[in-house]
Amino acid sequence: DAKTTQPPSMDCAEGRAANLPCNHSTISGNEYVYWYRQIHSQGPQYIIHGLKNNETNEMASLIITEDRKSSTLILPHATLRDTAVYYCIVRALRQGGGATNKLIFGTGTLLAVQP
Amino acid sequence: EAQVTQNPRYLITVTGKKLTVTCSQNMNHEYMSWYRQDPGLGLRQIYYSMNVEVTDKGDVPEGYKVSRKEKRNFPLILESPSPNQTSLYFCASSLLAGSFAYEQYFGPGTRLTVT
Repeated sequence: DAKTTQPPSMDCAEGRAANLPCNHSTISGNEYVYWYRQIHSQGPQYIIHGLKNNETNEMASLIITEDRKSSTLILPHATLRDTAVYYCIVRALRQGGGATNKLIFGTGTLLAVQP
Repeated sequence: EAQVTQNPRYLITVTGKKLTVTCSQNMNHEYMSWYRQDPGLGLRQIYYSMNVEVTDKGDVPEGYKVSRKEKRNFPLILESPSPNQTSLYFCASSLLAGSFAYEQYFGPGTRLTVT
């Protein structure tokens, strides 16, 4: 699975959009971009995933560049409860074996939403 | 409510005293997995299971055992716990359908201290 690079921390004002970047320059054609977040010591929570098109759900939007080498997670109206570590993970489709279903968590971005 | 449950949530034990951490999911997921989380090391996969009676080692399986006798349950067994197994443990589950790896749902975590 491709390696990802994220800034270690970011601040965002409550009510504003939080834009969390992720670089995955070695991503290959069959690899998806997933975003999870972990609120202090709780279990990681799935947010969104995409392959090459932009995606939106009730939690966030995911913007993937045309060359797929980077992406941005957007929380449109950040609240204090969005303070968490956000993980960008790139992984391939499962291909017969089970290994590609493993999530490889990097160090993520600590998003601090300020009142 | 769809969820992954773990018990106990907190456990303090002594070296060598066998223990089991239970994990149960009510979403009929085929795939289940155990991770441990340590400061500076992120989440690392211990064991995973593709379906009933099918288990395999993750990245850090030493000192752990698992079993998958029923689809909903995936207990983690520490036969002879040691202090280096002091950690925060997460169970996760997901669907597996064809070649697509669905998002994983995580339990609330079990904080284990071995003295």
